[in-house]
Amino acid sequence: GAVVSQHPSWVICKSGTSVKIECRSLDFQATTMFWYRQFPKQSLMLMATSNEGSKATYEQGVEKDKFLINHASLTLSTLTVTSAHPEDSSFYICSARSAGGVYEQYFGPGTRLTVT
Amino acid sequence: AQSVAQPEDQVNVAEGNPLTVKCTYSVSGNPYLFWYVQYPNRGLQFLLKYITGDNLVKGSYGFEAEFNKSQTSFHLKKPSALVSDSALYFCAVRALYNFNKFYFGSGTKLNVKP
Repeated sequence: GAVVSQHPSWVICKSGTSVKIECRSLDFQATTMFWYRQFPKQSLMLMATSNEGSKATYEQGVEKDKFLINHASLTLSTLTVTSAHPEDSSFYICSARSAGGVYEQYFGPGTRLTVT
Repeated sequence: AQSVAQPEDQVNVAEGNPLTVKCTYSVSGNPYLFWYVQYPNRGLQFLLKYITGDNLVKGSYGFEAEFNKSQTSFHLKKPSALVSDSALYFCAVRALYNFNKFYFGSGTKLNVKP
């Protein structure tokens, strides 16, 4: 149980284009989903928290107009990187917390984004 | 402020030997502590957590962690390491007043050599 998937697992896009990453909870309803960014050999940095049906809460320093987050259902959240630049290249990981879950988050396998 | 520190970037251990990956925390109040493991190009997998109760917490894949309040530590341990345990390990603490927010340590790379 508690499986979170991400799609795609890796993506290459050109500068200036937008790319969408999906995060799905496969066997539970995720009232809250989280998006993290991980740089090589570094820890995870929380970008934003999204609750189903409401606007995402962004961490300080994260551009909400650049990283669009939509949590349209209890099993799906999407992160859209708009007008991507090479410095947006990173490993993006989502996690989800179930409606009844208070403590742990369940993480997706991550998406490797490379912007050329 | 909540934070965790993993003082070792890398830990090397021979297969069959016991392993310890260190984590210290700084929180006000009672901490909620977690260990996660990350394999290359993969997301994080939950290993174990401490919320309350017994200081020795047992988790997945034979791992355990000991909560030590006086030393503000939550070290991850395993009695006998396997080569397949080689991965990146993260300690995390949940924020006291915002249970959505986790603070992750910098990660420790565990190398288990045959």
